[in-house]
Parts: sequence; structure tokens; C-alpha cells
Amino acid sequence: KQEVTQIPAALSVPEGENLVLNCSFTDSAIYNLQWFRQDPGKGLTSLLLIQSSQREQTSGRLNASLDKSSGRSTLYIAASQPGDSATYLCAGGRNSGNTPLVFGKGTRLSVIA
Amino acid sequence: GAVVSQHPSRVICKSGTSVKIECRSLDFQATTMFWYRQFPKKSLMLMATSNEGSKATYEQGVEKDKFLINHASLTLSTLTVTSAHPEDSSFYICSAGGNPRTDTQYFGPGTRLTVL
Repeated sequence: KQEVTQIPAALSVPEGENLVLNCSFTDSAIYNLQWFRQDPGKGLTSLLLIQSSQREQTSGRLNASLDKSSGRSTLYIAASQPGDSATYLCAGGRNSGNTPLVFGKGTRLSVIA
Repeated sequence: GAVVSQHPSRVICKSGTSVKIECRSLDFQATTMFWYRQFPKKSLMLMATSNEGSKATYEQGVEKDKFLINHASLTLSTLTVTSAHPEDSSFYICSAGGNPRTDTQYFGPGTRLTVL
């Protein structure tokens, strides 16, 4: 059974800093891995999707990597801004877009101006 | 990206009443829809998998008679919380899978249920 762990649970950084959020998963037979952003009381915003055949994806200041052999993914945020403050969730899918995602507990990020 | 809507976005009800939440896939036919629940400061946990035209598959610990799921069409799934109690207060999020273009699932904006 897939288990997803995110470290740290919370992180506070000054504005402008680069930061890395970590995600680990137990089952390397992962189909894809997604990173989401969730603002308080809101739904999920998909940030990056990495297929199992890929090693990384980039969107603007965000870069996500996937290492299936070690069971890890990282989300790198460059030049952090107060607007980046949110909870970041990673989730792994097993077979296809028709299978449910297993979510980590998230990392709560605060970027201080 | 594909759009999934949920209605209502927020509902407050009295204990003992039933609440229906709708999840619609607006621009593709979703063969599979998923219902997740998120308690405060916790992550999303899968409640059930809903396939169009067949019975939903519930996760362990989720009462199927309490959380009724209907997936009558390829664009609509409903979750009915029957005889709701305060412990059912949570954030319910659906997702739609089976998009042939992207092979990923798309999440609705969620429904905040508060049972008094």
C-alpha cells in the first residue's frame, strides 16, 4: 500500500529565499506524482505533474523532480514570495488517471515579507 | 485544464439531516470519479471510487449506508451524507478521472460541510 510522507510539516522562510519541499513514497511502482497547492479553506490547485518516465517538470519559479528508485520527489521554489504562503501537498498515483491519488499530509509554508 | 465543479461550496445543516453534494465534470466524460475527505489540518483521504453505472467502491472504515454515492452519468456524481452528525463536518472534494487527453484527474473546488 502506497504511503506518502512530506517533510517538513511546516516551514517559515524570509522573502526571496530559495527553498525545497520533500516528499517520499513507499511504492516505487508509481504512475505519476503531482504537487498541489492548497490555500486555507480552499480546494487544490495543481502545480506540477511528473509522469513516471520523467525526472522533472518546471513551471515558472517551480521545479519538481522525481526519483523513483529512491522513492523521492522534491519541489523547489525559487525566490519565494509572500504569495507563495500555502500548504503544499504531494500525491502519487498508481496506474493511470483513473486510479485514486495517495496524498501526503502537506508542508505548510509561510514566506515572511 | 479540465474543469470540475462542486455544488454547494458551503453548507451548514442541523444534525440528523441529509446533505447532497454534486460533482460535475464540465468538459470531458469522466468514467471514474473519486470522493475525498479532509479534516482540519489533515490531508485528503480517499472515501470512495465511483464508476459510471455501477456501485461505488468504498475505502475501509467508510460507511456506505451513510455516504451514498451515485454516478448516474459520465458528467455527474453525487455524494449524499445521510443523517449527518457533527463528526461528519469536513471538507469534501471530488475529482474526475478518465480524461483521454491527459490521463490524469481533475479536482473540484470542494464543499465545506458544517453539521451543528
